[in-house]
Amino acid sequence: KQEVTQIPAALSVPEGENLVLNCSFTDSAIYNLQWFRQDPGKGLTSLLLIQSSQREQTSGRLNASLDKSSGRSTLYIAASQPGDSATYLCAVINDYKLSFGAGTTVTVRA
Amino acid sequence: NAGVTQTPKFRVLKTGQSMTLLCAQDMNHEYMYWYRQDPGMGLRLIHYSVGEGTTAKGEVPDGYNVSRLKKQNFLLGLESAAPSQTSVYFCATWDSLNTEAFFGQGTRLTVV
Repeated sequence: KQEVTQIPAALSVPEGENLVLNCSFTDSAIYNLQWFRQDPGKGLTSLLLIQSSQREQTSGRLNASLDKSSGRSTLYIAASQPGDSATYLCAVINDYKLSFGAGTTVTVRA
Repeated sequence: NAGVTQTPKFRVLKTGQSMTLLCAQDMNHEYMYWYRQDPGMGLRLIHYSVGEGTTAKGEVPDGYNVSRLKKQNFLLGLESAAPSQTSVYFCATWDSLNTEAFFGQGTRLTVV
């Protein structure tokens, strides 16, 4: 059974600081890994998708890395803004199922 | 292009009542999933389907049933609702060609 862990569970930083969010998974035979953002009371917004053959993906201030052999992914958010405050979820796909971590709740203080 | 649409968006049930949640997708994806999200517990897989006419149990299937009679629709049923089923329910779809998962906007269900 795939287990996905996200550390830390919560993070509070001043505006402008870089954010580093970690995701680890126990079964490295994944199809891909996807990072999502969720605002309170809202649905999931896809941020980045990393295929199993890729090492990283970038979109604007966001960069996600994937080390499949060690079962880790890291989401970097550069120059954080108050609008980045949200819960960030990582999900892996293997055996045709998506498995989620519990998320990291980020607060960016103005 | 609507993507993934969940119906209804909100519902309040009394204990023992039944209801069906509908997930409809227009992306021709093979795989569809139902999750529930509870505070502090992340998203947990209830049931999933790998194609029309197929269903399989996920992590927390008890108290729920599902059907996938048409490729574009995945129904989640609660036969006798319990307060423990108060949650936010999300539907997701995925396809091995596109590889990105897409989610509906969620259904907030309260059982009193």
